Amino acid sequence: GDSVTQMEGPVTLSEEAFLTINCTYTATGYPSLFWYVQYPGEGLQLLLKATKADDKGSNKGFEATYRKETTSFHLEKGSVQVSDSAVYFCALTKTSYDKVIFGPGTSLSVIP
Amino acid sequence: GAVVSQHPSRVICKSGTSVKIECRSLDFQATTMFWYRQFPKKSLMLMATSNEGSKATYEQGVEKDKFLINHASLTLSTLTVTSAHPEDSSFYICSARGLAGEGPKFFGPGTRLTVL
Repeated sequence: GDSVTQMEGPVTLSEEAFLTINCTYTATGYPSLFWYVQYPGEGLQLLLKATKADDKGSNKGFEATYRKETTSFHLEKGSVQVSDSAVYFCALTKTSYDKVIFGPGTSLSVIP
Repeated sequence: GAVVSQHPSRVICKSGTSVKIECRSLDFQATTMFWYRQFPKKSLMLMATSNEGSKATYEQGVEKDKFLINHASLTLSTLTVTSAHPEDSSFYICSARGLAGEGPKFFGPGTRLTVL
């Protein structure tokens, strides 16, 4: 079945370091890909998305490019801040009306 | 932007009692709502999908008689955990999608259930 795999972490970085969180997926067809962020004690927020191959989603300095050839959607940020500390979930949907399939989440801690 | 609320945000109950969690879409009509469960430091597990006015569709392994879902209006869905036990303690998150939604973008803030 369809699934999402991502590095589980935890990942600890110093402020202003470069961030990469790897995400790969398995799905038939052409899924839409998402990154969600969950801050401590809160629900999920959509961070960015890409709906077709080679699309780049971006928001708040984060970027991810939909790579169909490698079935990947890696999350990157050039300079992380303490406020970026959260859990990041990679996810996919098959169609606009389908359920979201989440990866296991990656915990990020950014230290001053 | 669209907002989804959940109530209560935290609930503690005794084993054997039932707990109702509400999920509301505040400024759009949610034709579909999803209920997820999240264990500590784990990902979200989809429990069920509910469409307004019809019975919920449960994922494999989820007891529909234990987790009752009602989606009686376009702005409200409820999850009732019946005869709760300590193993039901978890973080429950709902997600709502409107007519033009592209994937469930809007998530509630979650409800922390603790069963003693």
